[in-house]
Amino acid sequence: QSMLTQPPSVSAAPGQKVTISCSGSSSNIGYNFVSWYQQLPGTAPKLLIYDNDKRPSGIPDRFSGSKSGTSATLGITGLQTGDEADYYCGAWDTSLSAGVFGGGTKLTVL
Amino acid sequence: EVQLVESGGGLIQPGGSLRLSCAASGFTVSSNYMTWVRQAPGKGLEWVSVIYTGGYTYYADSVKGRFTISRDNSKNTVYLQMNSLRAEDTAVYYCARSPEYDYWGQGTLVTVSS
Repeated sequence: QSMLTQPPSVSAAPGQKVTISCSGSSSNIGYNFVSWYQQLPGTAPKLLIYDNDKRPSGIPDRFSGSKSGTSATLGITGLQTGDEADYYCGAWDTSLSAGVFGGGTKLTVL
Repeated sequence: EVQLVESGGGLIQPGGSLRLSCAASGFTVSSNYMTWVRQAPGKGLEWVSVIYTGGYTYYADSVKGRFTISRDNSKNTVYLQMNSLRAEDTAVYYCARSPEYDYWGQGTLVTVSS
């Protein structure tokens, strides 16, 4: 059972915008930074967002992150078929002294 | 160029042991947190263990007492010693540079089965 809660799936049309939510608690999202990862089929995860809202070099500004309280959100605008992937949120859990991930959200670009 | 290369996976019987390696290049493992993350077939990511720059280590409850993370600074390599393996440990094991997990290896598959 994942410590962070994500919707199993989301979908939207090409060119549209989608948001993926990630819900946690005061010991993880509420207290620590949140990161987001994209995993294309058969590949290793790739960092999209770190420290709640920062993008690594090379990640387009179509991807954005935000955090409020014990929840975080990944936003993707201008959807492309190449964005079809699994997306995961992650954070450190201070109470567990362990990392935690969400269960993952499968994005379908219709 | 930063690169992480895992090795050591394979087929192992329940109760057996394996040691995974994560060889790093382009940065120094002793100056970074290093984490192991696993992914069971068709499932999501599961955090396994981390080693801090100061040598402190932390483990997921599911592997505590069975797995040990370590590093060899001279080889710039991080290890995951896995003992008393169970069927539920079957997964692709990734190492990642932490805390942002900005670089990941390609993963190594561990299959625990008789």
